[in-house]
This record gives sequence, structure tokens and C-alpha cells, in this order.
Amino acid sequence: QKEVEQDPGPLSVPEGAIVSLNCTYSNSAFQYFMWYRQYSRKGPELLMYTYSSGNKEDGRFTAQVDKSSKYISLFIRDSQPSDSATYLCAMSAPGAGNNRKLIWGLGTSLAVNP
Amino acid sequence: ETGVTQTPRHLVMGMTNKKSLKCEQHLGHNAMYWYKQSAKKPLELMFVYSLEERVENNSVPSRFSPECPNSSHLFLHLHTLQPEDSALYLCASSLQTTAGETQYFGPGTRLLVL
Repeated sequence: QKEVEQDPGPLSVPEGAIVSLNCTYSNSAFQYFMWYRQYSRKGPELLMYTYSSGNKEDGRFTAQVDKSSKYISLFIRDSQPSDSATYLCAMSAPGAGNNRKLIWGLGTSLAVNP
Repeated sequence: ETGVTQTPRHLVMGMTNKKSLKCEQHLGHNAMYWYKQSAKKPLELMFVYSLEERVENNSVPSRFSPECPNSSHLFLHLHTLQPEDSALYLCASSLQTTAGETQYFGPGTRLLVL
């Protein structure tokens, strides 16, 4: 079993739709959860960062962490064509050595159609 | 120039060539990373440097040789590569290497090995 599972898609939605992107994980020690967005021909950029459980909202984006289910989500409201990108989840555990290493999902390719 | 820059952006090389990838960060960070991004695989961490000392080497073949002359510059020296080494090579930096630290990525070098 992979440490982090993420459906690579592709996911295609019409403009204005609510998008839900998800990752599941197996390591209960993970405490730091991140969503990165990667446009074509660019490097990943941090979009949302959550420590431990709960929700975090930033504009049209909401990140949720459910540690009991080992499941994280990214919601995009009123999606725009400019949101078309690959969304990667990443997570790590506290501590030193290998624990602190970021573990990445495969990334989900999203296309928002005008 | 701001953020993390990488040169060249594209590179085609034969299996007997020697080339180097360059990364520079203008963020005042102390840690730098090399990642490999291949299709249908999660980001693979290759090397980590903290204050110019290599702190991680994730079983990377010796045909990849990193160099970190100072905290702003990182190189990846390539020699006798294989076609399966074709990928996007991403450089990243962070303030430190502690758990949960946000990593900032460059645009990557797209490498094709013939």
C-alpha cells in the first residue's frame, strides 16, 4: 500500500463548478498537510497548508483534514479556467530524519472548461 | 530575479554526455533540494542540503552527483545517464529542513536522454 493515494484523473468540470480533490494516507503520524498547484511547464507552488486536523479557507479554496479517516480534501468553489492545473497533496510527520520527509501524492490533473 | 531559478529549462543529452543543472534561490533559505518528477509517479526526493551539507541521499545512482557550493546555489552533475532518467528535475528551497517546512520550487529542467 502506498503511503499517500491520489487519483490522477484527469478531472474535467465546467466553469463555476465546485471541485473536490482528495488524498488518503496510511501513516497516522502525519501532521503537516499541504496542497500544491502545478501549472504546465512550471514547478509546484504551495496553495494551502494545514497543521493537524480541521478546515482552512482561503478565498475560493478550502482544505480539510480528517485524521480519523486519514483523508484530506481540497475544495475549489466557483472554479475558473485559470484553476486548470495539476494539484498535488503532500504530507509529513513531525520529528527528525525520514519522518520529516514530504510524502507526495501522484497529483490530480484538473481542467476547468469555459 | 526572485524565488528559485533553474537553468537550463530544457536539455537533450546522449548517454555518454556530461552536463550540469543549475539552481539558484534568492529567498535567503538554508536548505535546498533536488527532486525528480516522472509521469505517473509521485515526486521523488533525490538530495537534500542544509547549510551546504548534504543531509539526505535517497539511494540515487552515482551517475547523479550534487554540489552545493553555498546556500544559494545547487548543482546536479549528470554523466552516463540512461533513457529512464528522462524526467523533469525540480529544485526547491526552504528556510530549514525541519518537519512541515514549506518548500518553494523552481520551474524545473526538462531532461531528455537519448
